[in-house]
Amino acid sequence: AQSVSQHNHHVILSEAASLELGCNYSYGGTVNLFWYVQYPGQHLQLLLKYFSGDPLVKGIKGFEAEFIKSKFSFNLRKPSVQWSDTAEYFCAVTSSGGSYIPTFGRGTSLIVHP
Amino acid sequence: SAVISQKPSRDICQRGTSLTIQCQVDSQVTMMFWYRQQPGQSLTLIATANQGSEATYESGFVIDKFPISRPNLTFSTLTVSNMSPEDSSIYLCSAEGLAGGQVGEQFFGPGTRLTVL
Repeated sequence: AQSVSQHNHHVILSEAASLELGCNYSYGGTVNLFWYVQYPGQHLQLLLKYFSGDPLVKGIKGFEAEFIKSKFSFNLRKPSVQWSDTAEYFCAVTSSGGSYIPTFGRGTSLIVHP
Repeated sequence: SAVISQKPSRDICQRGTSLTIQCQVDSQVTMMFWYRQQPGQSLTLIATANQGSEATYESGFVIDKFPISRPNLTFSTLTVSNMSPEDSSIYLCSAEGLAGGQVGEQFFGPGTRLTVL
């Protein structure tokens, strides 16, 4: 069975700091990878996704993530965070040959101080 | 993007009672799901709501405790039965196969925050 690990549970940054949130998965086959974000008081929404092609994917609001197959990782990055990036971030993975139901990581709570 | 709504948005219930949560999608979808999100923990899939047949439950979840209905391609309900304080959580509805989405991409409702006293 696949699993997803997010190593940073709570991250606190000041505005303009750089962000990198770790995500590692365990699954030996072909995967599709997602980052979801949940802003305070709002519902979960897709931030970015990787299915195939360029392993560096760009999402909304200046976020990007890099799929490194050899490391089973899909870390989320943003060069300069804003106060409005304060949110909960979830990494998720589906297996291409499976049921397409995602397995979610535990989530990382990001607080950005103005 | 698609709109998914849930009712109620929150509720406080007494131990031993049941609560039914409704999920409405503004377009027809093949797959609908119910998740539980407990504080500081990941989203846990409860079941896949299948249209026209019984829901498919994940390990640790049973139909008697979480009966699910899916009468058509835009609507589903989840009932939390005989509630205990351990059922206090956020319950999320999601859908896959929406226009503009890719395989495996899920769209989520706003969630129902349940507190059991």
